[in-house]
Amino acid sequence: AQTVTQSQPEMSVQEAETVTLSCTYDTSENNYYLFWYKQPPSRQMILVIRQEAYKQQNATENRFSVNFQKAAKSFSLKISDSQLGDTAMYFCAFMTTSSTSGTYKYIFGTGTRLKVLA
Amino acid sequence: DAGITQSPRHKVTETGTPVTLRCHQTENHRYMYWYRQDPGHGLRLIHYSYGVKDTDKGEVSDGYSVSRSKTEDFLLTLESATSSQTSVYFCAISNSNQPQHFGDGTRLSIL
Repeated sequence: AQTVTQSQPEMSVQEAETVTLSCTYDTSENNYYLFWYKQPPSRQMILVIRQEAYKQQNATENRFSVNFQKAAKSFSLKISDSQLGDTAMYFCAFMTTSSTSGTYKYIFGTGTRLKVLA
Repeated sequence: DAGITQSPRHKVTETGTPVTLRCHQTENHRYMYWYRQDPGHGLRLIHYSYGVKDTDKGEVSDGYSVSRSKTEDFLLTLESATSSQTSVYFCAISNSNQPQHFGDGTRLSIL
């Protein structure tokens, strides 16, 4: 079975500092996609960044970047120059294709609650 | 933002009553999903749809049913609500391998 593990339930970081959130996953597939979503207190689920497994280059999106290690099945999120607005729950997600319906299914980790301190 | 509307946004009901949550999209996306979010569990897939009248079960489908009679709407029904189904429910949509976009969630409390 495919799984996504986020081993850090809670983290905190000082404003303007850098923080890294970890995510590991387990799969036997070779082609898949990985995502980080942010859920602020407003409860909205917001896509932060996306990584295609076939791409070796790590994805970046402004202050957000990932360290994708395919062999190690690791997909960590680095937030640089942390801002108070980054305070949120962060979910790692893995997307795969269902073998029965051919549809796309997502598996989410349990989340890391990040608090940015002033 | 992707056009996804969940209704109602909040609902309080009693054990044993039927409950239907609605997800409406204006993006013409093929795939629609229902998740529940509970502390310590992240988002867990209840059911999903890959086309009109095409649905399949997720990992926590017991006690839930769904219907999709047209592309825009995906309904989640709790036939006889139980307190264990108190949760926040999210609808999401996507097209093929594109990232999912989520609705704003429905907070459901079953007393």
